[in-house]
Amino acid sequence: QLTQSPSSLSASLGDRVTITCRASQGISDYLAWYQQKPGNSPKLLIYDASTLQSGVPTRFSGSGSGTEFTLTISSLQPEDVATYYCHRYNTAPPLTFGGGTKVEI
Amino acid sequence: QVQLVESGGGVVKPGGSLRLSCATSGFSFSDFFMTWIRQAPGKGLEWVAYISATTNVFYYGDSAQGRFTISRDSATNSLYLQMNSLRVEDTAIYYCARVRGRYSFIDFWGQGTLVTVSS
Repeated sequence: QLTQSPSSLSASLGDRVTITCRASQGISDYLAWYQQKPGNSPKLLIYDASTLQSGVPTRFSGSGSGTEFTLTISSLQPEDVATYYCHRYNTAPPLTFGGGTKVEI
Repeated sequence: QVQLVESGGGVVKPGGSLRLSCATSGFSFSDFFMTWIRQAPGKGLEWVAYISATTNVFYYGDSAQGRFTISRDSATNSLYLQMNSLRVEDTAIYYCARVRGRYSFIDFWGQGTLVTVSS
């Protein structure tokens, strides 16, 4: 099970934003983060907890291992308004996602 | 580039059936695990079904078990989801998605197809 916090947040342009994902048991670094903009499908941002997917802006970063992980946006931009989901893998299904964090300006 | 294009969604009455399709291109389809994920209106992501690259391993979420069947056709590079005995609570956008490796993360998602179950 993955628990994300907060479920929503509001921040100003240029702010540093941090989202947390906690796993109910240790999952090493087998965690991915997705961004879902309104009306769109999810997009992969980060995998293996901290590896940035090709083409993703470097203001996004991920960290953590074991049971606690964070997604950080170093300087919030208007195009970052979205819902962010974490996802654990490297195990047979069921596939598990966090409940999502909605980021607003 | 990788493309996943879903089709087959629509409005169906409770108890009815639908078959979703996902046309893929831009990668070697037979080399990848594939999955269906759904998202009810205003809700989060829910895993539905998962199929191995060679079609001999299937997994289903609790909500899909016994009612949905995932399949794939390497000749047409297509993924399918046969949905029977549909319920109002199956109303959602259904996404086809590619899994990067065996039991790995999802790296590409389709645009989704909307299924509405309503009387």
